[in-house]
Amino acid sequence: QLVLTQSPSASASLGASVRLTCTLKVEYTKFAVAWHQQQPEKGPRYLMKVNSDGSHIRGDGVPDRFSGSASGTERYLTISSLQSEDEADYYCQTWGTGIRVFGGGTKLTVL
Amino acid sequence: EVQLVESGGGFVQSGRSLKISCVASGFNIDDSGMHWVRQAPGKGLEWVSGFNWKSGRTGYVDSVKGRFTISRDNAKNSLFLQMNSLRPEDTAFYYCVEDIEGVFVAWGQGTLVTVST
Repeated sequence: QLVLTQSPSASASLGASVRLTCTLKVEYTKFAVAWHQQQPEKGPRYLMKVNSDGSHIRGDGVPDRFSGSASGTERYLTISSLQSEDEADYYCQTWGTGIRVFGGGTKLTVL
Repeated sequence: EVQLVESGGGFVQSGRSLKISCVASGFNIDDSGMHWVRQAPGKGLEWVSGFNWKSGRTGYVDSVKGRFTISRDNAKNSLFLQMNSLRPEDTAFYYCVEDIEGVFVAWGQGTLVTVST
C-alpha cells in the first residue's frame, strides 16, 4: 500500500535550518515525492519534487532556501535561514497508477 | 500565469447533491492531469479524484466511489466534481489541482462544502 509517513510536528529557531522527513515503505524506495507548503488560513503551494537519487526541482518562485534530498526510503525537505513566514504545514505527496497520496503533514513552528 | 479558480461550494443537507467547478487559465487542462483534493477542517490533505494526464482515465478515493463523478469541459478549460449522496464527513475545502506527471504543481484557493446532518 502506497503510504507516506511524516512526523506531526517540528520546530526550529528563526535563522536556523530544519529538515523535514517523509518516509516511504521499502517497496516504494524508487518513488519520487513532491513537497507542498500550507501557510495558516491559505491554500497549499507546490514547493518541489524530490527524486530517489536526491535531485530536486523547485517550483516557480520558490526560494533556494528550500532544498530537497533523499536517502533510501526517506525524502527530505530542508529549509535554511528560517523566516517567520516559513511557519506552516508541510505535506509530502506521491503518485501511483490511478492514485495520489499525501503524508499526514508536519506542522513547523518557528521559534 | 497559471490560475485555478474554484466555485460552487456551499451549505447542503446530508443526502443531497452539489456540483463544484474549477476554471483554469494559463494552460490547457487537456495537456495536464487534473484532480480534486479536499481538506476537512483542522485535518490534512486528501486526494479525492482525478484525470490521468496521458490516458484521460479517472480515479477516485474509495470513500467517494459511486457517489462522486469528475468531469471536464476542455473547450471551457474547466473541471467539475458532481457530488451525490453527500455525507457530513464530506465537509471540507475542495481544491482544484494541476498534475504534471504525478506532481501537483498548481493549486486553486479552494471552495468550502459544508454538509449538515
